[in-house]
Amino acid sequence: SQQGEEDPQALSIQEGENATMNCSYKTSINNLQWYRQNSGRGLVHLILIRSNEREKHSGRLRVTLDTSKKSSSLLITASRAADTASYFCATDGRDSGTYKYIFGTGTRLKVLA
Amino acid sequence: SAVISQKPSRDICQRGTSLTIQCQVDSQVTMMFWYRQQPGQSLTLIATANQGSEATYESGFVIDKFPISRPNLTFSTLTVSNMSPEDSSIYLCSGEANYGYTFGSGTRLTVV
Repeated sequence: SQQGEEDPQALSIQEGENATMNCSYKTSINNLQWYRQNSGRGLVHLILIRSNEREKHSGRLRVTLDTSKKSSSLLITASRAADTASYFCATDGRDSGTYKYIFGTGTRLKVLA
Repeated sequence: SAVISQKPSRDICQRGTSLTIQCQVDSQVTMMFWYRQQPGQSLTLIATANQGSEATYESGFVIDKFPISRPNLTFSTLTVSNMSPEDSSIYLCSGEANYGYTFGSGTRLTVV
């Protein structure tokens, strides 16, 4: 499959708790991005981390990248009901000589008020 | 950052017909990508479209079924040909932006 894997597939937490999602990918990358998608709507770009970076923060979001393990994690701190959405990682890089932009399988997050 | 206008936003089509989806970018982008997102699933890359060359298709997708045009650096189309109910999905285009990639708002296709 072209896609990377994300886990968990689904996550349900209480408001105020932290949510951690993991992404693993298969190819060498230039960078990795995380997106949010509310049900039936378009993709919202959250954060980009370059292959030479290990950690990045944006507001309540913290992203880590381990290129040796081909994995990344997204941490949402102090979650809110409005964070309920699907979260996807996406990587760009070369696979078999072709440049591609590939999405992970996604994590469906539900934050309970 | 680039903004992509995608249309139509949704359509209901008869099986056996074809639908062309258009994406217009407000700035020049080198690479554009077309994706399919089936209900409850992630985005699956259909093809990569560069201006002036044939699109590169992913495994499981063929040009006869999903012909793509990329006449210039701000525009691309994807045609879903000879549609069947299995083609019902959301189709999205994407182009490179300053911070990553920007997406069209998607086309929700229902084939009946």
